[in-house]
Amino acid sequence: QSVLTQPPSASGTPGQRVTISCSGSSSNIGINTVNWYQQLPGTAPKLLIYTNNQRPSGVPDRFSGSKSGTSASLAISGLQSEDEADYYCSTWDGSLNRYVFGTGTKVTVL
Amino acid sequence: QLQLRESGPGLVKPSETLSLTCTVSGGSISNSYYYWAWIRQPPGKGLEWIGSIYYSGSTYYNPSLKSRVTISVDTSKNQFSLKLSSVTAADTAMYYCATKYTTSSEDYFDYWGQGTLVTVSS
Repeated sequence: QSVLTQPPSASGTPGQRVTISCSGSSSNIGINTVNWYQQLPGTAPKLLIYTNNQRPSGVPDRFSGSKSGTSASLAISGLQSEDEADYYCSTWDGSLNRYVFGTGTKVTVL
Repeated sequence: QLQLRESGPGLVKPSETLSLTCTVSGGSISNSYYYWAWIRQPPGKGLEWIGSIYYSGSTYYNPSLKSRVTISVDTSKNQFSLKLSSVTAADTAMYYCATKYTTSSEDYFDYWGQGTLVTVSS
């Protein structure tokens, strides 16, 4: 059972903005940075956002991240068909003493 | 750019030990900024961190798996390995090796292997 809660699904038409939430607690998101991973169908996860809002080289600027208190969000602006994937938030949990991942959100482009 | 590749048996019998190796190329496993991690994903489910190791051999494990997990490193071969004992069907998953970049202010899994599916079945 994950300690980071995400909506199971999100969807939008091409060009729309989609936002995914990640709800945690004072022992994880509240005190540590959040990272986001994109998992395209049948592939390994890929780092999408690190340290709350930083994009690795090569990640389009339509992806953005933010964090406030014990929650974090991933936004996809100008949704494209290739953005159809599962998205996971992640951080360290100081109470559980382990890395935790969110429940995952499947993004569908309508 | 770092590349990681998992290898090992795709089928393990219940109660036996799962053994996987991750071979690192494109960089040294002795890089001081990196820990080396194992993460798994049961079919159709989410991600679970198993544990991490530093090139010095320092390890830390998921408490829920700690009693069954051993991660080791071989710097001469640029490899690190996972052993998971007493496996059951619940250990059936895609197993990924990954790098964990760590500084005082940053901590994330930035390079991932392609994954290897391990099925526990008699």
